[in-house]
Amino acid sequence: NAGVMQNPRHLVRRRGQEARLRCSPMKGHSHVYWYRQLPEEGLKFMVYLQKENIIDESGMPKERFSAEFPKEGPSILRIQQVVRGDSAAYFCASSPSAGGETQYFGPGTRLLVL
Amino acid sequence: QKEVEQNSGPLSVPEGAIASLNCTYSDRGSQSFFWYRQYSGKSPELIMFIYSNGDKEDGRFTAQLNKASQYVSLLIRDSQPSDSATYLCAVNIGSGGYNKLIFGAGTRLAVHP
Repeated sequence: NAGVMQNPRHLVRRRGQEARLRCSPMKGHSHVYWYRQLPEEGLKFMVYLQKENIIDESGMPKERFSAEFPKEGPSILRIQQVVRGDSAAYFCASSPSAGGETQYFGPGTRLLVL
Repeated sequence: QKEVEQNSGPLSVPEGAIASLNCTYSDRGSQSFFWYRQYSGKSPELIMFIYSNGDKEDGRFTAQLNKASQYVSLLIRDSQPSDSATYLCAVNIGSGGYNKLIFGAGTRLAVHP
């Protein structure tokens, strides 16, 4: 049973470009969470999605950031017009149910903005 | 602002000793609590979760919860060098039927031979 998959694992972008981060949840999981981790800091909740629905995006910056989880395919976190402060590790986690006690984390995408 | 506080460390313990990691949280309504381990450059992995006041043991790990004091801790018995990592405390503040985790900044544990 494959775990949560994220790609790319490393992404380098220049300021002003777009970054697309993909997350494929574990088989059978329809709940996806995105977190951001800045250097030397803990994980910060960004958004929680179910298939085709954004349930809670209270942790998402108001501008430039968006997320989706289509009926088919991976969940996408999109960052437009990246700035240096967006450099971080972005993790997604999946769970089989909304209130399940376990979130399984993917390996993360390390975004570096030059 | 709901917060989770941890000492950043590093907490240095000799091999074979008990490591004690502590965490306090601000949201009195929180019902579930999690400890994750994160090796440098890797993703967090769940060690334990706890819902009820008291102790919960799993192998060398014991989680302790005191809701009245808003305090949760993790004890690691017989610490090994392979336990050297950052330990993240997470509190579920979700009220909409789903888990919404707030993480502390983590405590770095160093177990020396």
